[in-house]
Amino acid sequence: GQNIDQPTEMTATEGAIVQINCTYQTSGFNGLFWYQQHAGEAPTFLSYNVLDGLEEKGRFSSFLSRSKGYSYLLLKELQMKDSASYLCAVSDSNYQLIWGAGTKLIIKP
Amino acid sequence: IAGITQAPTSQILAAGRRMTLRCTQDMRHNAMYWYRQDLGLGLRLIHYSNTAGTTGKGEVPDGYSVSRANTDDFPLTLASAVPSQTSVYFCASSPSPTGAYNEQFFGPGTRLTVL
Repeated sequence: GQNIDQPTEMTATEGAIVQINCTYQTSGFNGLFWYQQHAGEAPTFLSYNVLDGLEEKGRFSSFLSRSKGYSYLLLKELQMKDSASYLCAVSDSNYQLIWGAGTKLIIKP
Repeated sequence: IAGITQAPTSQILAAGRRMTLRCTQDMRHNAMYWYRQDLGLGLRLIHYSNTAGTTGKGEVPDGYSVSRANTDDFPLTLASAVPSQTSVYFCASSPSPTGAYNEQFFGPGTRLTVL
């Protein structure tokens, strides 16, 4: 079967750095997405990785290792507004997105 | 309209009733999707459409039907609602169903409660 695993919840301090991990087992791989979802709102796109390595975009970076079936999202200089759920999704062999359950990130002052 | 809209925003429905959730996009995207999101579970694909006139079944299609008569609209129908269909429903679209970069754009969601 297809599976995406990520931690249920993480807590971090404002101004700090946090890394959210995602491991996956899917039938085929056509890229990995990270989305942000604030409570009661729709998911919004953060990043996309299809090749191994690190993609940096401002305070957010995303890393992919295809051989290990592993990705992480790195958030730097955390702000209170970063409190949200972070969803990992893999595009499988049919280009359908398989979603993890999401990681709820709590930021404390 | 800018992006994707969904209606209604929320709905309480008696079991056994028929309900259609509406979704409209103005981005001329080819592909559209319906997901449900339940606490503790990832987004689960109900149905999808790669282009106008075609539809396909996702992971959890039972009890739901869709149509895609044109590019912009993708309604989801619950023929006879049951309490297990209580969920938040998201409609999404992407420029192409395939390709290396098929970012999906989401509507604001419909919160449905079936009693």
